[in-house]
Amino acid sequence: DQQVKQNSPSLSVQEGRISILNCDYTNSMFDYFLWYKKYPAEGPTFLISISSIKDKNEDGRFTVFLNKSAKHLSLHIVPSQPGDSAVYFCALHRSARQLTFGSGTQLTVLP
Amino acid sequence: ETGVTQTPRHLVMGMTNKKSLKCEQHLGHNAMYWYKQSAKKPLELMFVYNFKEQTENNSVPSRFSPECPNSSHLFLHLHTLQPEDSALYLCASSQEDQLAVYNEQFFGPGTRLTVL
Repeated sequence: DQQVKQNSPSLSVQEGRISILNCDYTNSMFDYFLWYKKYPAEGPTFLISISSIKDKNEDGRFTVFLNKSAKHLSLHIVPSQPGDSAVYFCALHRSARQLTFGSGTQLTVLP
Repeated sequence: ETGVTQTPRHLVMGMTNKKSLKCEQHLGHNAMYWYKQSAKKPLELMFVYNFKEQTENNSVPSRFSPECPNSSHLFLHLHTLQPEDSALYLCASSQEDQLAVYNEQFFGPGTRLTVL
């Protein structure tokens, strides 16, 4: 049974609009929540994170929201740019070396 | 070379072959990881090495055999694989800091493995 779910395998957004990527989890023991971004033929790269004691973290165009009661994590990208087209993975942290990943959402930003 | 490198980038092998995947990290980290990503599935952690000692083995079949000769190099030896083992194999490294809540993992580009 998957502990972390990204229910949308793909998302298309117009350039300049907001992209919202979602991630749901079942285990309340996770203490740190991350988003990774992956381009084709490259490994995932860290994008933004949030601690379980916070509900929002912002870094430029990227904002991550955490709703612990709903066990829901989201990534907002605004304004979206064509270069943001990639696969986005949420990754949830429970111990020093354990990351549990979602299956990813392919974001396509249309010019 | 910078970051985390993996060779080969693509590998096709038969079920009776023996092959090895190589990972090298140029970041001075002390922990290395093997992940498997099958099509449309999440990344699955396979093995973790910390200071060259294996600290995690997530119920991986014995046909996958990791080796970590030093903190910069990690190998995954493959033998008698099955077609369902075809996947993207990703290596990652991090600098373990017991005082930190989270130690960022840096990933290599992966090896795309096809088992015929």
